[in-house]
Amino acid sequence: EVQLLESGGGLVQPGGSLRLSCAASGFTFSNFALNWVRQAPGKGLEWVSGISGGGDITYYTDSVRGRLTISRDNAKNTLYLQMDSLRAEDTALYYCAKARDSCTSTSCNQLAYYYYVMDVWGQGTTVTVAS
Amino acid sequence: DIQMTQSPSSLSASVGDRVTITCRASQSINKNLNWYQQKVGKAPKLLIYVASNLQTGVPSRFSGSGSGTDFTLTISSLQPEDFAIYYCQQSYNTPSSFGQGTKVEIK
Repeated sequence: EVQLLESGGGLVQPGGSLRLSCAASGFTFSNFALNWVRQAPGKGLEWVSGISGGGDITYYTDSVRGRLTISRDNAKNTLYLQMDSLRAEDTALYYCAKARDSCTSTSCNQLAYYYYVMDVWGQGTTVTVAS
Repeated sequence: DIQMTQSPSSLSASVGDRVTITCRASQSINKNLNWYQQKVGKAPKLLIYVASNLQTGVPSRFSGSGSGTDFTLTISSLQPEDFAIYYCQQSYNTPSSFGQGTKVEIK
């Protein structure tokens, strides 16, 4: 069974840092792009960041670029989100989500389809930024 | 960035009803449109990808259509387990973006 399990959330002061992790199992980890998607309390879904299977290509939404850093360790089947200079507006439930289709070549690793059709999601980890 | 707009924002329907939700993109996204279902306290679930492809395991009462800028999710006969929030999402380019959601409630 394909599973994603997030951890690392918590309460942090504005300007502080946090590192989220997402442990994966049940699929060939390095063959799939992964994403972080967040949901502020009572609000809709917001895509935050994506990373290629090899980890060499990363994408960010404008509001987090330069403050949040996505990475992965394919030997440990784990996705990360390093969160620095946190703001109140970063308060949300953070989901990691797996791309539906594998991509193992340069012919597809910059195509949006291979990142953003997300078929498996974790249960989420909550980040609260407040003083 | 591409803006996704869903309508209605909420609707009330009865079990057995046919339900249609619309999603409009601010520019053409070809068929790169996906639909997700989110129940209270749960993670989103992929229902439909690339406008009309049913994800494995999703009941056939769900269907999607459209291309360009206008898309539709249809539930042919609403079941009790279908009461949830539905989101459209474009996978045409970066940043990916979601609609604001449509809440389907019990009438």
